[in-house]
Amino acid sequence: AQSVTQLDSQVPVFEEAPVELRCNYSSSVSVYLFWYVQYPNQGLQLLLKYLSGSTLVKSINGFEAEFNKSQTSFHLRKPSVHISDTAEYFCAVSESGGFKTIFGAGTRLFVKA
Amino acid sequence: DGGITQSPKYLFRKEGQNVTLSCEQNLNHDAMYWYRQDPGQGLRLIYYSQIVNDFQKGDIAEGYSVSREKKESFPLTVTSAQKNPTAFYLCASRVQGATYSGYTFGSGTRLTVV
Repeated sequence: AQSVTQLDSQVPVFEEAPVELRCNYSSSVSVYLFWYVQYPNQGLQLLLKYLSGSTLVKSINGFEAEFNKSQTSFHLRKPSVHISDTAEYFCAVSESGGFKTIFGAGTRLFVKA
Repeated sequence: DGGITQSPKYLFRKEGQNVTLSCEQNLNHDAMYWYRQDPGQGLRLIYYSQIVNDFQKGDIAEGYSVSREKKESFPLTVTSAQKNPTAFYLCASRVQGATYSGYTFGSGTRLTVV
């Protein structure tokens, strides 16, 4: 069975500092991996996804995530965060050919001035 | 612009009352989903529908019911059998079979028992 573990429930960081949000998954088959962002009292928005090919994927607002098959990880990084990045981030996994997506418990990123 | 509309944004339920949450999409997506979000627990799947007039239970379907009479609409009813309904409810959709595409989510309904 699939599962997703987000290793940190909260990550406080100062503005302009780098950040890494960690995500590990387990699955016995090929997977698609996603990061979603949720701002307060809103729905989730797709931030980036890994389907195949290059293991490093990037979003338009400076986030990137690297798929590591041997470590079954898909950590999200940003070299310099802004106050506006304060939100909750969810890692998710879908089995290729499946119909369900499993979400992690979320990591709350809090960027301080 | 295409998207998913959830209404109402806030809903208050009295003990023993059934309430219905609306979800409408104009994305022409076949597959629609209802998730429940509780703090620190991520998203848990309540029901999903891959085609009109068909739906399946998710991981926490007890105390909930759905219908899918139209492609655009997937309302969720929280029945009196759901003992702890206070939560944030999210509706999502995607192209059927396209697990690679990710979901489009609505903006959510926050349900509170009073």
